[in-house]
Amino acid sequence: DSGVTQTPKHLITATGQRVTLRCSPRSGDLSVYWYQQSLDQGLQFLIQYYNGEERAKGNILERFSAQQFPDLHSELNLSSLELGDSALYFCASSVISGGTDTQYFGPGTRLTVL
Amino acid sequence: GEDVEQSLFLSVREGDSSVINCTYTDSSSTYLYWYKQEPGAGLQLLTYIFSNMDMKQDQRLTVLLNKKDKHLSLRIADTQTGDSAIYFCAEMADSGGGADGLTFGKGTHLIIQP
Repeated sequence: DSGVTQTPKHLITATGQRVTLRCSPRSGDLSVYWYQQSLDQGLQFLIQYYNGEERAKGNILERFSAQQFPDLHSELNLSSLELGDSALYFCASSVISGGTDTQYFGPGTRLTVL
Repeated sequence: GEDVEQSLFLSVREGDSSVINCTYTDSSSTYLYWYKQEPGAGLQLLTYIFSNMDMKQDQRLTVLLNKKDKHLSLRIADTQTGDSAIYFCAEMADSGGGADGLTFGKGTHLIIQP
């Protein structure tokens, strides 16, 4: 158990809908990262937040957004969902941004878009 | 751009050593990681190595880094059935203000033969 929690574990929805994925980092970790794992693209970095502020963006679509709240939990919002958005979405957390920190991953949320 | 390459499959006999290889292209990579993913599970951090190191050993795991050739390997001694999983190589580049998200390879499926 990495100490990173994600809810829900599974999510099934329809095209065009909007969903919110939630992540609670390990106690004491300030950075939260979101990744998408799909069969065709593999594991891709989406976005990072550090202590409530957006720190870095990866291959995140404009239909996707995220935020980190004062209690450091984070939410990833996916809107206008398409079939191709079906994937495993992982959250990871680390103590600091960059440097010697290492990222610990949550169990993931499996999103199925029908 | 950043790219991490791994072989897709590796088959070894139980009790033998497994060697999983990875090459990367970003010469500014500061940290290189090995993660393990079992079926239906999240990513488990196995070990990491800083770019100024050549080798790191942790129990049955040995990581070798050839920075000149941008080649990383993970050796698992006395491979057991419980080692059956997908192993991901990942790099974190020196962000210099850029993304601190990890760049992952496609993963190597380690198959253990009895």
